[in-house]
Amino acid sequence: NAGVTQTPKFRVLKTGQSMTLLCAQDMNHEYMYWYRQDPGMGLRLIHYSVGEGTTAKGEVPDGYNVSRLKKQNFLLGLESAAPSQTSVYFCASAEGEFSYNEQFFGPGTRLTVL
Amino acid sequence: GQNIDQPTEMTATEGAIVQINCTYQTSGFNGLFWYQQHAGEAPTFLSYNVLDGLEEKGRFSSFLSRSKGYSYLLLKELQMKDSASYLCAALDSNYQLIWGAGTKLIIKP
Repeated sequence: NAGVTQTPKFRVLKTGQSMTLLCAQDMNHEYMYWYRQDPGMGLRLIHYSVGEGTTAKGEVPDGYNVSRLKKQNFLLGLESAAPSQTSVYFCASAEGEFSYNEQFFGPGTRLTVL
Repeated sequence: GQNIDQPTEMTATEGAIVQINCTYQTSGFNGLFWYQQHAGEAPTFLSYNVLDGLEEKGRFSSFLSRSKGYSYLLLKELQMKDSASYLCAALDSNYQLIWGAGTKLIIKP
């Protein structure tokens, strides 16, 4: 099993450009999450999904959109990138809603917006 | 507001014991997680506590006091490979994880 995979691993964008980050998991998990991690700050939740076809906003959703058309995939879109979106983006998945379910993380995407 | 506090950085010696503290304030509480994150890598799960007390898992133990809003991660017999950041995260009433900024642990020979 590959677990949680993310593509691309690195990306450099110019301000105003758009891109999509892809997250895929092969563990048949219901819940999927997109986080960003910035120096000196904790992981911050951007959007999450509790099942195929559903999405919800997290703590910092502005400037991002998501889609979960298939259970195994969770896409994060940046419509018009800004330098403030320079960050490391992590996708995670979890089995379900129970509180003891750990989240499994992908390797991250390092995004720089110039 | 919701808040997680943990030290920014700690230094310890190989073979020794270190305790990393975490205090939390959340809207409701459904458990506390510890994750390990090596530089440039993804966080990986270490422990989960929802009841008061100590949970031991090999060289790592995690403690929780719900009344004090306090947890610690105890690492014994430190090895160089334990050099990493340790992330504390509390699960709030909406089952959302609130993350601390992480404690960078430096192990010296």
